Amino acid sequence: NAGVTQTPKFQVLKTGQSMTLQCAQDMNHEYMSWYRQDPGMGLRLIHYSVGAGITDQGEVPNGYNVSRSTTEDFPLRLLSAAPSQTSVYFCASSRMAGRNEKLFFGSGTQLSVL
Amino acid sequence: GQQLNQSPQSMFIQEGEDVSMNCTSSSIFNTWLWYKQEPGEGPVLLIALYKAGELTSNGRLTAQFGITRKDSFLNISASIPSDVGIYFCAGRRQGAQKLVFGQGTRLTINP
Repeated sequence: NAGVTQTPKFQVLKTGQSMTLQCAQDMNHEYMSWYRQDPGMGLRLIHYSVGAGITDQGEVPNGYNVSRSTTEDFPLRLLSAAPSQTSVYFCASSRMAGRNEKLFFGSGTQLSVL
Repeated sequence: GQQLNQSPQSMFIQEGEDVSMNCTSSSIFNTWLWYKQEPGEGPVLLIALYKAGELTSNGRLTAQFGITRKDSFLNISASIPSDVGIYFCAGRRQGAQKLVFGQGTRLTINP
């Protein structure tokens, strides 16, 4: 199994550009989520999904959209990139959204917005 | 905002030394997880804790779920160079679906 796969690994955008960060998991996990990692801030939850067709906002959702049309895929969209969105983005999944479920992470996308 | 306080933020130690770090919260948590992140990679789960007072080991790593349910501790014994990385605590509050993360502890080891 590949686990959680994120693409691209690196991306540079100009302010105002749009792009989609891809995330796919092959573990049949119900729960998927997106985090951003910034120095000294740890990992902050952007959006999450507890199953296909269901999404919800996390701690820092502004400027990002998500959709979950299949169990496997959970893309993150930046509609109009801003320099404040320069960060490392991680997709993570777990079998369910319950108490005892462990979260598995992809290897990250490093995004720079100029 | 950030609900977990992790300390220390960074550690510089000699190979062979023991390491201790902790995570505290103002809320009661019913799950504590400890992750390690190496450069260019996502965090990898090290230890999961589900009961107050629980003590769990993974090789040279030992983590504890605090009795008050508001803190957790991670110890690494006899550190080696491959222990270098950023260690994150994560917790789930009672009744919550989402995990919250600490700010991370960056561990550097001098050979």
